Amino acid sequence: QKEVEQDPGPLSVPEGAIVSLNCTYSNSAFQYFMWYRQYSRKGPELLMYTYSSGNKEDGRFTAQVDKSSKYISLFIRDSQPSDSATYLCAMSYLLPIIQGAQKLVFGQGTRLTINP
Amino acid sequence: DVKVTQSSRYLVKRTGEKVFLECVQDMDHENMFWYRQDPGLGLRLIYFSYDVKMKEKGDIPEGYSVSREKKERFSLILESASTNQTSMYLCATVRRGLHYEQYFGPGTRLTVT
Repeated sequence: QKEVEQDPGPLSVPEGAIVSLNCTYSNSAFQYFMWYRQYSRKGPELLMYTYSSGNKEDGRFTAQVDKSSKYISLFIRDSQPSDSATYLCAMSYLLPIIQGAQKLVFGQGTRLTINP
Repeated sequence: DVKVTQSSRYLVKRTGEKVFLECVQDMDHENMFWYRQDPGLGLRLIYFSYDVKMKEKGDIPEGYSVSREKKERFSLILESASTNQTSMYLCATVRRGLHYEQYFGPGTRLTVT
């Protein structure tokens, strides 16, 4: 079983729709939960990160973490064509042998297309 | 502005060749990473370095080695390229203590024929 599972999609929705992207995980040691966005022919870039269970909002984006269910989500409100990208969830845990270092584990990525 | 550059965007090599992929950052970050990205598998960690001359194996180090002689430069070496190493290679850097924000380069699409 993979440590992090993410539905690869692809997902195609009309402009203005609410988008829900999800990941499940199996490792209870994960401490931070992140969403990265990757446009075509570019490297991923950090969209949001959270540490604790609950919701975190940033404009049209909301990240949700449920540690009891080992489930994280990213919601996009009023989706725009410019949101079309691959979204990767990522989670991190401490590397005990290297002070201050954490290892990130990425999901497979969900390719999202917003249709005008 | 944060900058991570990779030596090539596209590379085509023959089976058995030695391949060098280079990553340079201008942010004075301590930690640097090499990933490969394949459809359906996401990003998988090959190697990382937390200081000059220091390296640690990631999840899929077989067939790869790395070198970090200077803080700003992290090289990935394919000792003898094979077709199953055809992939997108991504370099990332992160400031120690802010591990959640990795800065990625644009990637190198390597094809081994």
